[in-house]
Amino acid sequence: EDQVTQSPEALRLQEGESSSLNCSYTVSGLRGLFWYRQDPGKGPEFLFTLYSAGEEKEKERLKATLTKKESFLHITAPKPEDSATYLCAVQDSGTSYGKLTFGQGTILTVHP
Amino acid sequence: GAVVSQHPSRVICKSGTSVKIECRSLDFQATTMFWYRQFPKQSLMLMATSNEGSKATYEQGVEKDKFLINHASLTLSTLTVTSAHPEDSSFYICSALTDVYEQYFGPGTRLTVT
Repeated sequence: EDQVTQSPEALRLQEGESSSLNCSYTVSGLRGLFWYRQDPGKGPEFLFTLYSAGEEKEKERLKATLTKKESFLHITAPKPEDSATYLCAVQDSGTSYGKLTFGQGTILTVHP
Repeated sequence: GAVVSQHPSRVICKSGTSVKIECRSLDFQATTMFWYRQFPKQSLMLMATSNEGSKATYEQGVEKDKFLINHASLTLSTLTVTSAHPEDSSFYICSALTDVYEQYFGPGTRLTVT
């Protein structure tokens, strides 16, 4: 059974204080690992897809990396508007129709 | 990025009535769409997978007669909550799958059953 564990559950940062969010996963065959951002009362917003170990992707202050067991979402010099819940999900190449298995999310709060 | 819309964004209905939620992919065709439910401070729970032109596949524990899903076109899936009760109150979110297997989510629908 595919499993995704995110840590920490909650993270409080000061504006400008860089940090990383972790996503550990077990999957029989990885088709893709996905990062989403979710604001309260809204649907998840797509951030990144990573397909193979060693891959990295960047978007503004965010950088996602992938190994065979985990992914990191690095946040450089965060701003208050980066406050949100960050969700990690894996897609098993053995499952049909592109189903995702989600972690519980990391709630990020950035204080000015 | 791909855009998915949902309608309505909020709905209040009385116990025993039915309510329909629409999910549309606006700038791409989606053979497959998904319906999720999210409780406060929890992650997304997959309810069902909707495939255009065929019956939906429901996750274990989800009542298919209560949550009716129709995927009649490549851009539209609907979720109908039949005979709604207060325990059905929740945040419902749909997603649509692109041809590179990325899921893009709608903004969600807040359902309140009184």
